[in-house]
Amino acid sequence: GAVVSQHPSRVICKSGTSVKIECRSLDFQATTMFWYRQFPKQSLMLMATSNEGSKATYEQGVEKDKFLINHASLTLSTLTVTSAHPEDSSFYICSAAKGTGGSETQYFGPGTRLLVL
Amino acid sequence: GNSVTQMEGPVTLSEEAFLTINCTYTATGYPSLFWYVQYPGEGLQLLLKATKADDKGSNKGFEATYRKETTSFHLEKGSVQVSDSAVYFCALVTGNQFYFGTGTSLTVIP
Repeated sequence: GAVVSQHPSRVICKSGTSVKIECRSLDFQATTMFWYRQFPKQSLMLMATSNEGSKATYEQGVEKDKFLINHASLTLSTLTVTSAHPEDSSFYICSAAKGTGGSETQYFGPGTRLLVL
Repeated sequence: GNSVTQMEGPVTLSEEAFLTINCTYTATGYPSLFWYVQYPGEGLQLLLKATKADDKGSNKGFEATYRKETTSFHLEKGSVQVSDSAVYFCALVTGNQFYFGTGTSLTVIP
């Protein structure tokens, strides 16, 4: 199997605080993990690509200082939303890629719903 | 460039009706094609995939055929159930990059 978990599944925080979301590949090593954001009734938007041991690659328009990504090991990537504001409220989904190169399947986590008050 | 276009929803069907959700794509190179399903409040689950032209992906009664000549990957099911109510995303992947369609919401009524 290929299971990806996210923690927490749901978080509510006050404006101005920081929130960390973890993404783990439970039964495989993932050299590459991806972070997506999904707005209500819309598709997933890729925020950044995270490679183990190196800096993340951010998509255009995504603030790297606001959305800090750390890929410390082959099974864990974290997304920290710094100084969160209500407009950061969204559904954040990570995925992890098995293998290297080609069109290997990504396995998606169950998502984290963030609500900033 | 790479992109995916899905038919807009929402789609409402009666139980046991036939389902088609259209998906077309543009891509450089030779992408793999996927259908993902998202149930309310959950993440995406892989439904089926096809990695080359004329491949047919199938799972849980759903099917989709990779048509290179029409750049399409339409999702079909012969008889939908209430439990199929969800949002369906068509996607292509080239290299490590996914490109998703906007999703089609399906509601199946008893």
